[in-house]
Amino acid sequence: EVQLLESGGNLVQPGGSLRLSCVASGFTFNNYPMSWIRQAPGMGLEWISAIGDSGASTYYADSVKGRFTISRDNSKNTLYLQMNSLRAEDTAIYYCAMDPRNRGWWGYWGQGSLVTVSS
Amino acid sequence: DIVLTQSPATLSVSPGERATLSCRASQSVSRNLVWYQQKPGQAPRLLIYDTSTRATGIPARFSGSGSGTEFTLTLSNLQSEDFAVYYCQQYNNWPWTFGLGTKVEIK
Repeated sequence: EVQLLESGGNLVQPGGSLRLSCVASGFTFNNYPMSWIRQAPGMGLEWISAIGDSGASTYYADSVKGRFTISRDNSKNTLYLQMNSLRAEDTAIYYCAMDPRNRGWWGYWGQGSLVTVSS
Repeated sequence: DIVLTQSPATLSVSPGERATLSCRASQSVSRNLVWYQQKPGQAPRLLIYDTSTRATGIPARFSGSGSGTEFTLTLSNLQSEDFAVYYCQQYNNWPWTFGLGTKVEIK
């Protein structure tokens, strides 16, 4: 059974940093691209970053480019999102998700990790 | 960026009835569109990919159609567990984008 378990969400002040982790199990992690998708409270979904199966290729939405860094450690079956220069508008639930066909859609999602940016 | 416009924002339907949800793209996405279902407090769940292919375990009462800029998700014989928010998402162009969702509520 595919499982994705995020952690690291917390309350952080504007301008601060946070690193999210997503531990994967139930599939061969290094075979699949992964993404981070977020959802502000009561709002819709926003894709923010993706990484290829090897980690060599990374992609970002304009809203986070230059502030967030996606990475993965295939030896630990773990996906990361380093978030710097956080803003109030980054407040959201952050989901990690697996792209099973390398097509740009996500068949498996974690339960989400809440990041709150507030003073 | 491609903008996906979902309508209506809210749809009130009685159990056992049919619901038709629309997703319109600001430019053609070919058939590179998926639908997700999201219930309160849960992560989204993949329903349909490539416009009309049901994901594993998704019942036949969920069906998708369309191409180019106009897409439809049809929920037939609505069950209690189907009341949720539905999102479309395109993967034809970077960045991948979502619609704002349609909430299907009990009438």
